[in-house]
Amino acid sequence: NAGVTQTPKFQVLKTGQSMTLQCAQDMNHNSMYWYRQDPGMGLRLIYYSASEGTTDKGEVPNGYNVSRLNKREFSLRLESAAPSQTSVYFCASSLTTAVLEAFFGQGTRLTVV
Amino acid sequence: KQEVTQIPAALSVPEGENLVLNCSFTDSAIYNLQWFRQDPGKGLTSLLLIQSSQREQTSGRLNASLDKSSGRSTLYIAASQPGDSATYLCAVLGTYKYIFGTGTRLKVLA
Repeated sequence: NAGVTQTPKFQVLKTGQSMTLQCAQDMNHNSMYWYRQDPGMGLRLIYYSASEGTTDKGEVPNGYNVSRLNKREFSLRLESAAPSQTSVYFCASSLTTAVLEAFFGQGTRLTVV
Repeated sequence: KQEVTQIPAALSVPEGENLVLNCSFTDSAIYNLQWFRQDPGKGLTSLLLIQSSQREQTSGRLNASLDKSSGRSTLYIAASQPGDSATYLCAVLGTYKYIFGTGTRLKVLA
């Protein structure tokens, strides 16, 4: 009973490198989200996917792209990493975008040097 | 634009005290409000979910209330324990997305 699984848990990148953060959920949820958490800023929404086949920008989408690969998986890609993208990234899912409870992964701690 | 504020930002109390954490939001058009707990270096654990039609939810020593008209929610923790030490986050669900407060960092002293 894994819930929401994120990989990797830790990553160090050099400025300009690219990488993809993976997220998968096994709860048959329709909606998935990517957040970043920075000290004093709380969690801010990067992108979300209300249902399979759709993606939309959140509050801070610049520098990121996403892919909703199928109902289970939602990936976040950094094409050219910048030090400002050093953060903890959380993936979440919920049955729908309204009413019901959101479940979070354990986070990916990314450092860009 | 929805804004969520949590007061206080940090709180330190002796073990056994009852305490209240506050969450306020600017747009009352929400679907639900959810309280989370986050331990250092960890993910978010859901504590309580209050749907917009509800006024409160209870789980063990935790009670959360919601007053949509005034844009406020409170999380009440009874008989606090050192194991309750964590950051508590509230999040409101509007159209398609959760908006988070910056959290209250709670320390319960033994």
